[in-house]
Amino acid sequence: KQEVTQIPAALSVPEGENLVLNCSFTDSAIYNLQWFRQDPGKGLTSLLLIQSSQREQTSGRLNASLDKSSGRSTLYIAASQPGDSATYLCAVSLSSGSARQLTFGSGTQLTVLP
Amino acid sequence: GAVVSQHPSRVICKSGTSVKIECRSLDFQATTMFWYRQFPKKSLMLMATSNEGSKATYEQGVEKDKFLINHASLTLSTLTVTSAHPEDSSFYICSARRLAGVPMLIEQYFGPGTRLTVT
Repeated sequence: KQEVTQIPAALSVPEGENLVLNCSFTDSAIYNLQWFRQDPGKGLTSLLLIQSSQREQTSGRLNASLDKSSGRSTLYIAASQPGDSATYLCAVSLSSGSARQLTFGSGTQLTVLP
Repeated sequence: GAVVSQHPSRVICKSGTSVKIECRSLDFQATTMFWYRQFPKKSLMLMATSNEGSKATYEQGVEKDKFLINHASLTLSTLTVTSAHPEDSSFYICSARRLAGVPMLIEQYFGPGTRLTVT
């Protein structure tokens, strides 16, 4: 059974810092990996999606990497801003199974202090 | 971008009553929809997967008679919490999957969630 772990569970940084969020998964036979942002009491916003054949994806100040063989992904946020404060979730979908349902990590709650 | 809506966004009901939550894909057809449950400060737990026109597939430990899922059309799925109890209070999120234009690129779009409180 796929298990997804995110470290740290919570992170507080001053504005302007670069930071890295970590995600690890136990079954390397993934179809893709996604990073999501969730604001309190809200749904999920997809940030980046990495296919299993890719090693990284970039969008603005965000860069996500994927090392499938070691079961790890990182989300790098450059020049953090208070508006980046949210919970960041990573999720993987397995290669097997037609439904491609996602397995989520427990999230990293990020606070960027002004 | 693809938009998924949920209604209601927030509902309070009395113990023993039933509550229906709607999930709609607004600008695309969703062959598959997923229902998740999220407890405070916890991750999303998949409850069930539904395909249009067929019965939902429930995850282990999820009571299918309590959480009724209907996926009547390619744009609408409903989750009915029957005989709700306080322990059913949670944040319920749906997602809809569409088959994007690029082969083998499949994406899920998430609704904004429904906060259910059972008193």
